[in-house]
Amino acid sequence: GQNIDQPTEMTATEGAIVQINCTYQTSGFNGLFWYQQHAGEAPTFLSYNVLDGLEEKGRFSSFLSRSKGYSYLLLKELQMKDSASYLCAVRDGDYKLSFGAGTTVTVRA
Amino acid sequence: TAGITQAPTSQILAAGRSMTLRCTQDMRHNAMYWYRQDLGLGLRLIHYSNTAGTTGKGEVPDGYSVSRANTDDFPLTLASAVPSQTSVYFCASSDSSSGSNEQFFGPGTRLTVL
Repeated sequence: GQNIDQPTEMTATEGAIVQINCTYQTSGFNGLFWYQQHAGEAPTFLSYNVLDGLEEKGRFSSFLSRSKGYSYLLLKELQMKDSASYLCAVRDGDYKLSFGAGTTVTVRA
Repeated sequence: TAGITQAPTSQILAAGRSMTLRCTQDMRHNAMYWYRQDLGLGLRLIHYSNTAGTTGKGEVPDGYSVSRANTDDFPLTLASAVPSQTSVYFCASSDSSSGSNEQFFGPGTRLTVL
């Protein structure tokens, strides 16, 4: 099975940078995903890492270290619309996802 | 393109009654999934199907059943609902031939069992 840990809540100011960490212990690893979920809505795909290193997508970047069982999602130039929950998910060898409980990010003016 | 749809949007159900949550996708994805999302616990996999005609159990399958008669539809049935099945249910689909094989989620069904 998978054990995935991420902070429950984070608060940051508009225009700032926030880093959401995710650690995992896995019986099989086949990629790590980050999803964004606004309150009352469905999760939407943000990023995918399967190899070590940084993947950049506009204001969002995601990093993976497989040897450390560690990933982070970096949100730059925060905007009010970035207030949401961010879900870290690990895919196992059977292509099933296990999700962390999510990190609620609040962006303040 | 509709993507992935779920019905109903919300439902209040008496304990002991049965109910089927519907999920349909028009992306011709081979794999489909059902999750429940509870406060503080995140998304947990109930059942999945890697291709039409096959299904598998996820992390929390007890009390639920699924079928996958065709590519597009993946209904979830609660045979005899209990209050602990009160949750938000999300259906998702993915294309295993794509590079990242990311999952696309439906809008969810909010179920309350009384």
